[in-house]
Amino acid sequence: DTGVSQNPRHKITKRGQNVTFRCDPISEHNRLYWYRQTLGQGPEFLTYFQNEAQLEKSRLLSDRFSAERPKGSFSTLEIQRTEQGDSAMYLCASSPTLAGNTEAFFGQGTRLTVV
Amino acid sequence: GNSVTQMEGPVTLSEEAFLTINCTYTATGYPSLFWYVQYPGEGLQLLLKATKADDKGSNKGFEATYRKETTSFHLEKGSVQVSDSAVYFCALSIYNFNKFYFGSGTKLNVKP
Repeated sequence: DTGVSQNPRHKITKRGQNVTFRCDPISEHNRLYWYRQTLGQGPEFLTYFQNEAQLEKSRLLSDRFSAERPKGSFSTLEIQRTEQGDSAMYLCASSPTLAGNTEAFFGQGTRLTVV
Repeated sequence: GNSVTQMEGPVTLSEEAFLTINCTYTATGYPSLFWYVQYPGEGLQLLLKATKADDKGSNKGFEATYRKETTSFHLEKGSVQVSDSAVYFCALSIYNFNKFYFGSGTKLNVKP
């Protein structure tokens, strides 16, 4: 499968625990994005990487959230001291840096439930 | 700022009915416009796109025309099928496509 891969698909955690999600983008895609989607809403931008550099972070990304892409390939999103409001679908997407490129390819997401 | 507004759902249609899902946008720059579809349990899939005014995006019988004068990108299909049942998201991207802005989604239910 050569699409965007996210793991785990589902995560249930107790409030206050830390969780980490992984995203493997399409090979050779320079750009990687994280979005959050709550029930009944569209995805909201969290952060964006160009290779290993994190170029933009949303205000939604509080201090408890950290994302990395250490070698410009896979990325991790960590949430510390989870809260019930963190329950959502976390989507990863990737795209190539090509002139005129206008498409991002999304993974199936990681659904987080904080109890 | 940048935002997308799309009609609320759910939209329930009978098979072979005509579909319209309205989408309007505000943008600080010159956006590209997209429709993404999300089937149950799956990620977002690009359905169609348009990068400049008056462009028409089309795919799988769906169409949408980029209307700069009305800041709209309405999705249409002449004859829906049960397999079209999904959530549809309108989205825009500005500049170097480093960020997408999505609408809240419209759920489509097509009954046999």
